[in-house]
This record gives sequence, C-alpha cells and structure tokens, in this order.
Amino acid sequence: DQQVKQNSPSLSVQEGRISILNCDYTNSMFDYFLWYKKYPAEGPTFLISISSIKDKNEDGRFTVFLNKSAKHLSLHIVPSQPGDSAVYFCAASDHPWGKLQFGAGTQVVVTP
Amino acid sequence: NAGVTQTPKFRILKIGQSMTLQCTQDMNHNYMYWYRQDPGMGLKLIYYSVGAGITDKGEVPNGYNVSRSTTEDFPLRLELAAPSQTSVYFCASSYFRVHNSPLHFGNGTRLTVT
Repeated sequence: DQQVKQNSPSLSVQEGRISILNCDYTNSMFDYFLWYKKYPAEGPTFLISISSIKDKNEDGRFTVFLNKSAKHLSLHIVPSQPGDSAVYFCAASDHPWGKLQFGAGTQVVVTP
Repeated sequence: NAGVTQTPKFRILKIGQSMTLQCTQDMNHNYMYWYRQDPGMGLKLIYYSVGAGITDKGEVPNGYNVSRSTTEDFPLRLELAAPSQTSVYFCASSYFRVHNSPLHFGNGTRLTVT
C-alpha cells in the first residue's frame, strides 16, 4: 500500500523555467516531509524538509509547500538548471525513529 | 570524509546462494538503515539500528538479517537468495532520528539473483 505517491514519473523543463514536482500522501499521521535528490549510480541526497506546523519552507532555489488539508506537497525549483536533472523522491514520516515512506520518484530533465 | 561506504557495487547471485552486503560509515552516526529500491517503486526499509547492539525490522525484513556490533558497521545478510531480492540496496545513516537530521546514503549495491 503506497502511502506516498508521486504520480508524475517524469518532467521535462527548460533551463531557467520553474520545475514543479508534486507529491500526495494518504496517511494523515505523517508530520514530517522531506525531498531527496538522486543522480545515477549515486545514493539519494537530502534536499529540503518541512514539518507539519509549517506550510512553506525555502532554501535558495528550492521551496517546498505543504497543504495538509489536501494531503499534498510540492517542490518548486526556480530557476531550473541543467544540474537539477535527477530523480527526486518525496518522503514522509509519522514516527521519529527513521521510518520514512518514500514515493516512487520523479525524473526531472532540464533542457538547455 | 568518506561518509557511507557500501561494498560491493554490483553482484550477481544464483538462487539459494548467500552473501553479505557491507556498509560502513565514518560520521559517528548512531542510526543506520538498509533500504531496497525496486524499479518504479520508492525505497523500502528493510532493517534499521538505533545504536550498536540494537536492530529492528522495517517494512520488508523477510529473507534478510542484520547485525550491529560497532557504531561504524551495519552489514546486511542474505541467506538464501531468491529472484525477488533482485534490487538496488542502499545503506544510510543519521546522527539523530529522522525528524531532526536527514539520512546520508551510500551509493548503493545492485544485486541480481538468477
């Protein structure tokens, strides 16, 4: 039972434009959300997180928005750069002991 | 600083063979985890450890065993390999529990069981 869903397996965006990645979840007990970025042949690396007490968190070009009532979060990358081409995983936790639920990932391709 | 190191990078096993996936971290992290990633799926937690001598099951522990004799090492053992265990395996570590610090992942081990 997939509790974290990333319904877009891929996204193509032009360099300089905005990338918007979406993530939906079903478990209302989730209270902490993270985005990880993964390049080929490497492990995921942490990108940005948000707790359920906030609805927005920003870090440079990356902003995560959380809509608890809709059980939806999104990651905005502005402006998109070629180095942003990677797979992005959304993850959520309802438990502090590291049991993250991951989505299936969205492959982002930034074209010149 | 090496971070989280996994060996081997690739391995092909025959059905019924056994092997150990090695994972070591040099960041003095208390928490360590094993995940597997199947094509088109998110990462699934196999086992985790909150410190030396303490391990617990994750979502998909069947067919695997772990041990944590030191802070640095967290090997994953497959006793009787099955085709369903074909996957990419990631080891990860964190200093605190996930709500306070993100996971640091190794580069993965790609395992094929035929």
